[in-house]
Amino acid sequence: EAQVTQNPRYLITVTGKKLTVTCSQNMNHEYMSWYRQDPGLGLRQIYYSMNVEVTDKGDVPEGYKVSRKEKRNFPLILESPSPNQTSLYFCASSSPGLAGSSYNEQFFGPGTRLTVL
Amino acid sequence: KNQVEQSPQSLIILEGKNCTLQCNYTVSPFSNLRWYKQDTGRGPVSLTIMTFSENTKSNGRYTATLDADTKQSSLHITASQLSDSASYICVVSLNQAGTALIFGKGTTLSVSS
Repeated sequence: EAQVTQNPRYLITVTGKKLTVTCSQNMNHEYMSWYRQDPGLGLRQIYYSMNVEVTDKGDVPEGYKVSRKEKRNFPLILESPSPNQTSLYFCASSSPGLAGSSYNEQFFGPGTRLTVL
Repeated sequence: KNQVEQSPQSLIILEGKNCTLQCNYTVSPFSNLRWYKQDTGRGPVSLTIMTFSENTKSNGRYTATLDADTKQSSLHITASQLSDSASYICVVSLNQAGTALIFGKGTTLSVSS
């Protein structure tokens, strides 16, 4: 089944304790992104990757790191989490549009609910 | 400033009724407009994607319209079902790749029996 998976789905941690949220897709997609979703603010992009070893900042990158060593994986790293990073996080992937297509479709993972105490 | 505004913020309707959700955007450059359905605690799922040359697209009971001149879009849900209860998010993409998306804050729809 074509899908984007995230782990863990739920995480409660304490301020300053490094953590990694994994994201994996089995659709051979080139593009991958991380978003956070907060009440009243909607989805905001943290980082995105156009391909292996190619990453770039989104709208809210402060306090986050990413890496793209393999095409299928795009982990999100919080080196020193703080309470303001408590949020619902989504990973997404997409591929360049088919020949003649003018867009590509993004597939979202199930989400990771992170609480930083 | 690129913005996507959705209305209403929330909506309650009876099962079987129709409803229309609105989306206004001020985004440049414009590549395409997407509607997503997001169930509580789940990831968004794509309903429709339209480029500026498409003014309507359907997906089952969901029909989206786009007026590129007025920069407005709507999502019409026909014969609503309890399973339609969700947040509906309007998203404008600045590029074909979908790596630069401007998200609306969503409309929360509750369908009651």
